[in-house]
Amino acid sequence: QIHLQQSGPGLVKPSQTLSLTCDISGDSVSSDTATWNWIRQSPSRGLEWLGRTYFRLKWFSEYAVSVQSRATITSDTSKNQFSLHLNSVLPEDTAVYFCARVDVSSFDSFDFWGQGTFVTVTS
Amino acid sequence: QSVLTQPPSVSGAPGQRVTISCTGSRSNMGADYDVHWYQQLPGTAPKLLIYANKKRPSGVPDRFSGSKSGTSASLAITGLQAEDEADYYCQSYDSSLKTYVFGPGTNVFVL
Repeated sequence: QIHLQQSGPGLVKPSQTLSLTCDISGDSVSSDTATWNWIRQSPSRGLEWLGRTYFRLKWFSEYAVSVQSRATITSDTSKNQFSLHLNSVLPEDTAVYFCARVDVSSFDSFDFWGQGTFVTVTS
Repeated sequence: QSVLTQPPSVSGAPGQRVTISCTGSRSNMGADYDVHWYQQLPGTAPKLLIYANKKRPSGVPDRFSGSKSGTSASLAITGLQAEDEADYYCQSYDSSLKTYVFGPGTNVFVL
């Protein structure tokens, strides 16, 4: 069974960097059929896809236009995990952040999710 | 403003059938991208309920069904139960925005 376990701080100061990690069990971050995604949810923006990383002979990372200048998604194959780094955060970045998997078998749906991390951006 | 639109809420009595609509455009559902549905209980992550328009993941009761036609899709819940009270979201891919998109969510209330 696939399980995604998130970790990271729930409080970040404005202008600092938000960093969250998603540990994968039951699959591999290097899978050639999966992509590993970050999604956030807030009352004002609803569910918003932020970006993904995946391995297809080499590593790729892609981002939503709304965060592409501030976001970086990395992977660590030795720990079988991937991470989101969002710099220069603003109060509007306050949200619940989720990691999630897409696999070819799920037809571009998010079939497994992390438990969510509520991140508050405040001084 | 969501790219996909859903009614804010629907309600029904136990045992009844309710449907949730999801309306998109030519750059997402109309471009033949699949629609997926998620159920979210309070304080939890969304759970995949229907994928590829009408497929059910293992463990999802057959009371839940999905359909898609053109730029619209719908989720039906038959034999409504108290445990079905939750928020439901549709999701697709938008080729103009080059991003995955979600609907704003529909709250299902069991009378």
